Amino acid sequence: AQKITQTQPGMFVQEKEAVTLDCTYDTSDPSYGLFWYKQPSSGEMIFLIYQGSYDQQNATEGRYSLNFQKARKSANLVISASQLGDSAMYFCAMREIYNFNKFYFGSGTKLNVKP
Amino acid sequence: GAGVSQSPSNKVTEKGKDVELRCDPISGHTALYWYRQRLGQGLEFLIYFQGNSAPDKSGLPSDRFSAERTGESVSTLTIQRTQQEDSAVYLCASSSLSGQMNTEAFFGQGTRLTVV
Repeated sequence: AQKITQTQPGMFVQEKEAVTLDCTYDTSDPSYGLFWYKQPSSGEMIFLIYQGSYDQQNATEGRYSLNFQKARKSANLVISASQLGDSAMYFCAMREIYNFNKFYFGSGTKLNVKP
Repeated sequence: GAGVSQSPSNKVTEKGKDVELRCDPISGHTALYWYRQRLGQGLEFLIYFQGNSAPDKSGLPSDRFSAERTGESVSTLTIQRTQQEDSAVYLCASSSLSGQMNTEAFFGQGTRLTVV
């Protein structure tokens, strides 16, 4: 089974609107961490936000927030007030406590922000 | 340097040739990762180094692939007898304090390998 599933290969959003990028994960480890990265066309991977499995509150970093629903095993990224510079690939990733060495990545979602 | 540095940034090679990709991690980062990213796809784990411990090679796709790292310094990923399916972007990442769950990986710009 896939460790990380991102079901939206591509999405469009109007500038200044909010957008949610979906991520579901599969693990049986008691502790794990979830990450979101942004990859612009330049190719670099930029870390955006982290959510720990035991964190009581959803993570927020500026315009980024993580809608963490542990029972559903989902960790959706919400970008508020989209900007043209948000156009990029977005990857969800996970590391598990019993397989700590690896970051598992999803296949990504390409976000296009329309002016 | 300030970030993870990879060289070359682009490499075109003929099928059957060997190639060597280099990664210079952030100073002080004990963990180093190699990933492969095929066009339009996610990141595929290749290998992980942590200090002087034995590397986790479980992601290497075949014995044509190998990687080395001396201590906490530069790493090289070698692909022998390259094939067209090896064409991809090879990303290197490093991380500090790998014992902490929330420690993110810092990525280099990648090496775009094209096998013709």
